[in-house]
Amino acid sequence: GQNIDQPTEMTATEGAIVQINCTYQTSGFNGLFWYQQHAGEAPTFLSYNVLDGLEEKGRFSSFLSRSKGYSYLLLKELQMKDSASYLCAVRDSRYSSASKIIFGSGTRLSIRP
Amino acid sequence: GAVVSQHPSWVICKSGTSVKIECRSLDFQATTMFWYRQFPKQSLMLMATSNEGSKATYEQGVEKDKFLINHASLTLSTLTVTSAHPEDSSFYICSASGGAFFETQYFGPGTRLLVL
Repeated sequence: GQNIDQPTEMTATEGAIVQINCTYQTSGFNGLFWYQQHAGEAPTFLSYNVLDGLEEKGRFSSFLSRSKGYSYLLLKELQMKDSASYLCAVRDSRYSSASKIIFGSGTRLSIRP
Repeated sequence: GAVVSQHPSWVICKSGTSVKIECRSLDFQATTMFWYRQFPKQSLMLMATSNEGSKATYEQGVEKDKFLINHASLTLSTLTVTSAHPEDSSFYICSASGGAFFETQYFGPGTRLLVL
């Protein structure tokens, strides 16, 4: 099966930088995703990593190390609207449905002024 | 691109009634759709995976006779909660993938169900 670990809660200051870590264990890794979910809303897609390295997209960057089973999401220039849960998710190639992904429990990020 | 809609956005029903939730991919053909359930302050729980034209694959512990899923076209999947009870009250979210968006899942806005 899979095991996805990420911190339950984090707090950061407006304008600062925060890094949310995710570790995973899976026997058929085939991509890692980050989603953002505001309270009461559905998740929205942030990033996708399948190769090692850093993917940058505006204020958000995502890093992957497949050998270490490790990823992080980096948020820069934090804004109050970034307060949300951030979900790490992994796709396992063993599943017949190519796009089936398994979600971690999410990290609830609170931004203080 | 990759817009997914859900209808209704919220529903209140009496215990024992059935509720149908629709999930549509608006600008792409979704060969696969997923149904999730999320209780307050908990993570997304995958209920079932639905491929167009075939029977849905349910996750362990999800009753297929209670949660009926139909994926009759490449743009529409429906989830019917049969004989709903208060414990079925939850946030139901669908997601879709396919076509140019086959590598990831794009989520609908969710349906909040309250069973009285």
